[in-house]
Amino acid sequence: EPEVTQTPSHQVTQMGQEVILRCVPISNHLYFYWYRQILGQKVEFLVSFYNNEISEKSEIFDDQFSVERPDGSNFTLKIRSTKLEDSAMYFCASSQNRDNEQFFGPGTRLTVL
Amino acid sequence: QKEVEQNSGPLSVPEGAIASLNCTYSDRGSQSFFWYRQYSGKSPELIMSIYSNGDKEDGRFTAQLNKASQYVSLLIRDSQPSDSATYLCAVIDNAGNMLTFGGGTRLMVKP
Repeated sequence: EPEVTQTPSHQVTQMGQEVILRCVPISNHLYFYWYRQILGQKVEFLVSFYNNEISEKSEIFDDQFSVERPDGSNFTLKIRSTKLEDSAMYFCASSQNRDNEQFFGPGTRLTVL
Repeated sequence: QKEVEQNSGPLSVPEGAIASLNCTYSDRGSQSFFWYRQYSGKSPELIMSIYSNGDKEDGRFTAQLNKASQYVSLLIRDSQPSDSATYLCAVIDNAGNMLTFGGGTRLMVKP
């Protein structure tokens, strides 16, 4: 059964450093998403991506964040200068169509020291 | 502000019983509704989707939607200890494709 994959599973970084989180969405899906979940809190939407551009983003997704689809399979989230409060689980998800079921990857646990 | 509300629980049921999980949402324009299961430290796993009023059954799971009351529920029949997890209600409105999640209900199924 096709699934969303993410690497790395755990990333530890120093405050102010840049991190890139990687995702491979399900191959025939057209919509891609990033969500995050701070420990003990709700899953929060960050950004959605379709047809090689951002289709929607939340207030959390400020100028420190960017997304890219560098090739036909990968989808990345970059945080330019990490803050302590960026520590969270970051989930990539994908769906075939807008409004359709979204399938989540296993997540990357980001720890900012 | 679009809100999705769930009782945080824990909801404790004995093995074999029916577990009933509830969710309300604030945006009347919401069109798509989902239930995810999340084990501790893991990612959300899609269990059910429902798009129109009424019931939708899949195995031991039944999702119920009432758009007039802005209410979604999930019934789990013959609950098993392996069903113990946090159940997340999530909603997409008709303006976008982002999921808005509730805080989740923690379910404990006791053997």
